[in-house]
Amino acid sequence: GNSVTQMEGPVTLSEEAFLTINCTYTATGYPSLFWYVQYPGEGLQLLLKATKADDKGSNKGFEATYRKETTSFHLEKGSVQVSDSAVYFCALSTSGTYKYIFGTGTRLKVLA
Amino acid sequence: DVKVTQSSRYLVKRTGEKVFLECVQDMDHENMFWYRQDPGLGLRLIYFSYDVKMKEKGDIPEGYSVSREKKERFSLILESASTNQTSMYLCASSVTGRDGYTFGSGTRLTVV
Repeated sequence: GNSVTQMEGPVTLSEEAFLTINCTYTATGYPSLFWYVQYPGEGLQLLLKATKADDKGSNKGFEATYRKETTSFHLEKGSVQVSDSAVYFCALSTSGTYKYIFGTGTRLKVLA
Repeated sequence: DVKVTQSSRYLVKRTGEKVFLECVQDMDHENMFWYRQDPGLGLRLIYFSYDVKMKEKGDIPEGYSVSREKKERFSLILESASTNQTSMYLCASSVTGRDGYTFGSGTRLTVV
């Protein structure tokens, strides 16, 4: 079946450090891939998405590239800020379905 | 911006009570979803609806039911609340599988 695997957290970084959060997936067909962010006490917000292989999604300095050959969609940011502290979720949807499959989330803590 | 509004941020209910969680979206989205979020388990789909009066079970529907009488409103019902239903409940809506979900802010339900 379809699944999403994220790296375990928490990830703790100093401000201005480089961030990578790994996400790999298993899916039939050609899924769309997403990163969501959840700030404390809030619901999830769509951060970026990619709908086909080699697409790069980007938003607010975050990037992720849809790699079909490695079935990955790793989230990166060149210089994190304290305000980026949140939980990040990788997700996929496959064509013909309304449902998404979410990873378990990775908590990021950025220290000043 | 699409808004998904959940009626309560925090709710405390007693075991055995019937509980209603309400969700309203304002952008004419066809698809609406109820998830619960628990530490270490990520997001799990309870029910979803792709049209008025249509509903489908998600991965963990036991102990829950839903109602969608109008396009903009999707209600989650706990028929007889139990302590293992203490959780964060998230409502979401979408147009298609490729667009991404819009989430509400969540309802943190405690059953005592």
